[in-house]
Amino acid sequence: GQQVMQIPQYQHVQEGEDFTTYCNSSTTLSNIQWYKQRPGGHPVFLIQLVKSGEVKKQKRLTFQFGEAKKNSSLHITATQTTDVGTYFCAENQAGTALIFGKGTTLSVSS
Amino acid sequence: KAGVTQTPRYLIKTRGQQVTLSCSPISGHRSVSWYQQTPGQGLQFLFEYFSETQRNKGNFPGRFSGRQFSNSRSEMNVSTLELGDSALYLCASSLTFGAGNTIYFGEGSWLTVV
Repeated sequence: GQQVMQIPQYQHVQEGEDFTTYCNSSTTLSNIQWYKQRPGGHPVFLIQLVKSGEVKKQKRLTFQFGEAKKNSSLHITATQTTDVGTYFCAENQAGTALIFGKGTTLSVSS
Repeated sequence: KAGVTQTPRYLIKTRGQQVTLSCSPISGHRSVSWYQQTPGQGLQFLFEYFSETQRNKGNFPGRFSGRQFSNSRSEMNVSTLELGDSALYLCASSLTFGAGNTIYFGEGSWLTVV
């Protein structure tokens, strides 16, 4: 079935460094959503990308959707300890049905 | 407004038993879905309900079932529990049925099967 691959699985950075997680699919995605899950918490919606080549920014976070709509990335500039958590990409196929990537767990040391 | 509410938050069951988890969506939300989260398999879609009808179903055995009531509240049931069913079960809701809605997750129900 449809799979969304996400890399890397883990990433450790020093506070202030940048961080990027990538999401790839073998088939065209109708959309891509990004979620953040803090340790012990639940996924929280960050953003949705729909258009080919779309780029959206939220403060230090930049989200991109590839031209072929088969990949996406989330880039965090100058990480902070509050950025710690697992970042998931997901395709919203219908309603609330999401196909998630395995996530990238970010740890930040100060 | 209140978020997605799931009960119980934590529970321990014995292999072979059954369990029912409850979810109250955000007020006004009519679409509810369920996910299983485990360290090995990650977040996996179980099923989705809208207007009391199952609209989508993930790749899980028939032991996993659910339903939605007229007030949009939902329950999921797992029968004949196995050790591998130990997981965080998350409920999510959105305003309507259809891709592109913002989806809100509850805090989840932690199920341990012993």
